[in-house]
Amino acid sequence: DAGVTQSPTHLIKTRGQQVTLRCSPKSGHDTVSWYQQALGQGPQFIFQYYEEEERQRGNFPDRFSGHQFPNYSSELNVNALLLGDSALYLCASSSGTDGQPQHFGDGTRLSIL
Amino acid sequence: EDQVTQSPEALRLQEGESSSLNCSYTVSGLRGLFWYRQDPGKGPEFLFTLYSAGEEKEKERLKATLTKKESFLHITAPKPEDSATYLCAAFSGSARQLTFGSGTQLTVLP
Repeated sequence: DAGVTQSPTHLIKTRGQQVTLRCSPKSGHDTVSWYQQALGQGPQFIFQYYEEEERQRGNFPDRFSGHQFPNYSSELNVNALLLGDSALYLCASSSGTDGQPQHFGDGTRLSIL
Repeated sequence: EDQVTQSPEALRLQEGESSSLNCSYTVSGLRGLFWYRQDPGKGPEFLFTLYSAGEEKEKERLKATLTKKESFLHITAPKPEDSATYLCAAFSGSARQLTFGSGTQLTVLP
């Protein structure tokens, strides 16, 4: 039973560029959440997608956007990259019901030069 | 604003030396308290969910407990393979999002 898979595992970009990160949820899950994790910190919630709609959003600027496809997979897009966007980006999947455990992938390490 | 605070930030134990990690939370309408383990270079691995005060969950050497303001992760007779960062997270029913603490980095020495 495949867990949450993310691609790519590592990415290097320069300031001002745009990036797209991808996530396939665990089998049977229909909800995808995205998190940003800085070194030595806990993950910070970016947004959550359910039924192809953004259901909830954390305190992140509009440069961060996403999409969910009919097969429940998801993308995170970040425009106009800043040095401060360097972090581990984590995808988590869960069932549609609030309060259910979220299962995480191993993340994409994004470095901005 | 929802807040989750973990202590200590780092903990070094000798193999077999039991201890507890603390997670204090201020969340509007708690709908679940979650514990995760995170190894370097990996994503968080789900350990436990607690839904109501007084609830306890156990898995091998780990036991999680919940009160109305705190959760504890008790580690009994730890082994070096228990070394990891342990993250606590609270799901708010009103904000409908998961708020994480900064984690406790546990090192178990042989």
